[in-house]
Amino acid sequence: AQSVAQPEDQVNVAEGNPLTVKCTYSVSGNPYLFWYVQYPNRGLQFLLKYITGDNLVKGSYGFEAEFNKSQTSFHLKKPSALVSDSALYFCAVSPNTGGFKTIFGAGTRLFVKA
Amino acid sequence: ETGVTQTPRHLVMGMTNKKSLKCEQHLGHNAMYWYKQSAKKPLELMFVYNFKEQTENNSVPSRFSPECPNSSHLFLHLHTLQPEDSALYLCASSQDTGRRKGYTFGSGTRLTVV
Repeated sequence: AQSVAQPEDQVNVAEGNPLTVKCTYSVSGNPYLFWYVQYPNRGLQFLLKYITGDNLVKGSYGFEAEFNKSQTSFHLKKPSALVSDSALYFCAVSPNTGGFKTIFGAGTRLFVKA
Repeated sequence: ETGVTQTPRHLVMGMTNKKSLKCEQHLGHNAMYWYKQSAKKPLELMFVYNFKEQTENNSVPSRFSPECPNSSHLFLHLHTLQPEDSALYLCASSQDTGRRKGYTFGSGTRLTVV
């Protein structure tokens, strides 16, 4: 079955330190990959996407993500975390086989301590 | 605001009640979605409509009944719900399948079934 795994329920990092939020997926073919962020009492907001090309993609608010095809991973990164980055982050994968299904992970809560 | 508006923001209903959730978008998107968000679980795709035609019904119980009168409006009619149906219900829209530009989400309706 197709799935997206975010192995960490929560990631804690000190402000100013680099952060990584992990995502691996089990989807055949060459899927499209996404990261979304959810702030309290809000819906999900699009952060960045990977379709093809350079394995390092840049998105909103200084975030970037690294695609690794051999490991089927798409980890979210930021060189220097801010307290305001504290939120729930979702990895999502859209199979390139037609249809309207996008598969989401369970989310990882990022907590940035001042 | 993201361009996708959901009402009400909060809803408490008894198991014998009938209520409806509403979603509206004026982004010119052709596809609209209902997702269920429960804590520490992947987002669950419930229904997808493309140009107001249903394209996905992800084995959702019949106590949830969607309606899409046009490409801008989506409803979720609720009746005889169970306490385990308590969750955040998210509406989203996209241009085509959403693979190129991702989804735009509303802020959700927090549903509590008592």
